[in-house]
Amino acid sequence: QITLKESGPTLVKPTQTLTLTCTFSGFSLSTSGVGVGWIRQPPGKALEWLGIIYWDDEERYSSSLQSRLTITKDTSKNQVVLSMTNMDPVDTASYYCVYRQGGVRGDTNWFDPWGQGILVTVSS
Amino acid sequence: DIQMTQSPSSLSASIGDSVTITCRASQSISSHLNWYQQKGGKAPKVLIYGASSLEGGVSSRFSGSGSGTDFTLTIFSLQPEDFATYYCQQSYSTPITFGQGTRLEIK
Repeated sequence: QITLKESGPTLVKPTQTLTLTCTFSGFSLSTSGVGVGWIRQPPGKALEWLGIIYWDDEERYSSSLQSRLTITKDTSKNQVVLSMTNMDPVDTASYYCVYRQGGVRGDTNWFDPWGQGILVTVSS
Repeated sequence: DIQMTQSPSSLSASIGDSVTITCRASQSISSHLNWYQQKGGKAPKVLIYGASSLEGGVSSRFSGSGSGTDFTLTIFSLQPEDFATYYCQQSYSTPITFGQGTRLEIK
């Protein structure tokens, strides 16, 4: 059974860097085809994909946020870390980590399961 | 980036009705289209992947179709647990993009 859980601060100040950790079980991020992504959702708004890291260390990011985002992995700890710099109140959202189901890049793929999410508020 | 446009943005229907939600991509995405259901602030759950494949454990009242740029999610015989928000998502290329969501409410 695959599970993921987000952890980190629930309140950050403007201009600070947000660091969230996704701790997972039930798979290895060194297995071909595997990816772990991050998605966020501001209160009452739509889902927004932030980025993903693959088994081979390739990273892909949102076009609009890529200058602020870094995703890293620690395979030995079964963790993926999201860093987002220069936080602003508009970044207030629930942040989810997700498991990429499907084959290698180019194959049909989808996100399942999702972590429970962590609500991060940006306020001074 | 590939833009995903869902319609309608909200929908009212009664128990037992059938409804259809559409999703249009700004360019061809083959069949790389997924549908998610989100209830009450919980994490979304996948319903349909690859445009038409039903996720295990999901009711057969959900059906997806389409390819290229136009896709539909149909829910037959609405049940109380189906009233939620639905999102489409393209997995054809990064950056991954979602539709803006369709809120399905009880009439």
